[in-house]
Amino acid sequence: DAGVTQSPTHLIKTRGQHVTLRCSPISGHKSVSWYQQVLGQGPQFIFQYYEKEERGRGNFPDRFSARQFPNYSSELNVNALLLGDSALYLCASSFGPSGTEQFFGPGTRLTVL
Amino acid sequence: RKEVEQDPGPFNVPEGATVAFNCTYSNSASQSFFWYRQDCRKEPKLLMSVYSSGNEDGRFTAQLNRASQYISLLIRDSKLSDSATYLCVAMTSYNFNKFYFGSGTKLNVKP
Repeated sequence: DAGVTQSPTHLIKTRGQHVTLRCSPISGHKSVSWYQQVLGQGPQFIFQYYEKEERGRGNFPDRFSARQFPNYSSELNVNALLLGDSALYLCASSFGPSGTEQFFGPGTRLTVL
Repeated sequence: RKEVEQDPGPFNVPEGATVAFNCTYSNSASQSFFWYRQDCRKEPKLLMSVYSSGNEDGRFTAQLNRASQYISLLIRDSKLSDSATYLCVAMTSYNFNKFYFGSGTKLNVKP
């Protein structure tokens, strides 16, 4: 079975641009969470979606938004990119909103110049 | 104050050594705890959940001390392949599960 997939794997943008990152959860998983991992730090929670609804949000500015589609895949959007947005963006899927076991995708490495 | 704090290391140990990591969490309402392993430039992978009674999985033993709000991971008979960063995670659950990751402890196992 395929694990969590994310695209693209790498991305280079310039300040002020917009970016969309994509995630497909494990088949049968309905919950997707997004994390930002800056070099040398642990992943920081951004959003959780379940059944197309936002279930939780971390301490990130409104420039960050996300959505989940009927097939449970998800997009993370970041507007007005800043240099500090450079990070590894990880998507994790779990079976339900209370699923404690999360499976991470390989991540999208975003570089903002 | 960070929700979860870990010694960043690195811990440099020879093969066959026993090594222990601790982490502390600040939210007493945290309900579940985990250890993840992350290899360089890879995604985190669940190593084990941490139960109040303590649990063991092969060479790995995890312990939880709720009174002192710390979690530990013990690795026995270290292998070269154990070299990685170990992330401690505390989960709170209000309307949804929120996972707080520590910054990780780096382990280098040397021949």
